[in-house]
Amino acid sequence: EIVLTQSPVSITASQGEKVTITCRASSSISSNYLHWYQQKAGSYPKLLIYRTSILASGFPDSFSGSGSDTSYTLTISCMQDEVAASYYCQQGSSSPPTFGSGTKLEIK
Amino acid sequence: QVQLKESGPGLVQPSQTLSLTCTVSGFSLTSYNVHWVRQPPGKGLEWMGRMRYNGDTSYNSALKSRLSISRDTSKNQVFLKMNSLQTDDTGTYYCTRDTYTTDYYLFAYWGQGTLVTVSS
Repeated sequence: EIVLTQSPVSITASQGEKVTITCRASSSISSNYLHWYQQKAGSYPKLLIYRTSILASGFPDSFSGSGSDTSYTLTISCMQDEVAASYYCQQGSSSPPTFGSGTKLEIK
Repeated sequence: QVQLKESGPGLVQPSQTLSLTCTVSGFSLTSYNVHWVRQPPGKGLEWMGRMRYNGDTSYNSALKSRLSISRDTSKNQVFLKMNSLQTDDTGTYYCTRDTYTTDYYLFAYWGQGTLVTVSS
């Protein structure tokens, strides 16, 4: 099983600040199989970025993703109220698919 | 449009069996895989297992001995049954559909989730 380790566990950012969340895999993953989800309180996870860097429909381009091999990054270029949420990386490279433990992003 | 909706009892007693139904619309169960994912309160997401488009099933090894996934294609429903429930099985249970017609494990479509509490 591939273990995904996210950091930080939580982060508080100011309006307009740039935020970076890291996801490290216990073994190499093809970039085609690393995805990110946004989950707001009381709601289901929503696909945010897929295949490392492709932005899902409905999300602003202030979100971006990058990475390869065992290290992947989600970047929010400009912190705003509406991006306060929990973020999860997920790998689909091998079964079982696994999720990172999550990063809770709050606004200062 | 693609829709999934979970249903089942909100409260289950310890040691009892959980039965959940995922009712889907907007696609065929014979074309796409449907998965179950759960989330304990305040914690992360755990993949439980999946019903493949051809009827094959796959389970998380940590749950395999307690879990069964089945379906009724005529009713557009996928079922989850898990026995010997304990308090740490409390959480929100989601069904989700794979984006592609293969085991890609990319979850673009989710149900709203159903909260299951294990308590006497």
